[in-house]
Amino acid sequence: AQTVTQSQPEMSVQEAETVTLSCTYDTSESDYYLFWYKQPPSRQMILVIRQEAYKQQNATENRFSVNFQKAAKSFSLKISDSQLGDAAMYFCAYRSDIAGGTSYGKLTFGQGTILTVHP
Amino acid sequence: DVKVTQSSRYLVKRTGEKVFLECVQDMDHENMFWYRQDPGLGLRLIYFSYDVKMKEKGDIPEGYSVSREKKERFSLILESASTNQTSMYLCASSPAGTGHNEQFFGPGTRLTVL
Repeated sequence: AQTVTQSQPEMSVQEAETVTLSCTYDTSESDYYLFWYKQPPSRQMILVIRQEAYKQQNATENRFSVNFQKAAKSFSLKISDSQLGDAAMYFCAYRSDIAGGTSYGKLTFGQGTILTVHP
Repeated sequence: DVKVTQSSRYLVKRTGEKVFLECVQDMDHENMFWYRQDPGLGLRLIYFSYDVKMKEKGDIPEGYSVSREKKERFSLILESASTNQTSMYLCASSPAGTGHNEQFFGPGTRLTVL
């Protein structure tokens, strides 16, 4: 079974600065996807960024980028130019891409990291 | 705009009561999921469904059941609520097939069992 670990329960950053959230995972599969989801206080969870394991290039979405190290099974999220609206709980998640497998389509989540942004 | 809705944002029930949590999506998605979210544990999958009348156990199905009679609706049932089922419950949906399909989440139901 896959596991996802976020070792930072809480992180804080000053507005306009950069912060990196860590995520490691354990799997024996070679085909999978990794995601970062954001859950703002009292609001719905939304997708921030995703990475296909077969792609070597790190995904980027505006101020959000990832550092995907497949051999190390590491998937960190970097938020540049942090804004007050980035304050949220962030979840790292793993999804198998093996068609027909019992875990196909399911997400396995990490414990979450609460990000505080100071003005 | 995609939408997943859940019947209640907050719910208070008593031990032993039967509890229904409803989830509706308007995106014609095949897959639907029920998670519970607890501090320090992240989200854990309770049940999921790939099609109408289909259900599969997730990682923590004990004490729960589900129903999917229509494609757009996925219900989570607590047959006899217990205090250890006090939690935040999140529903999600996604399209079928391969690829990096995103799961879309509802706003959550915070259930308290007294």
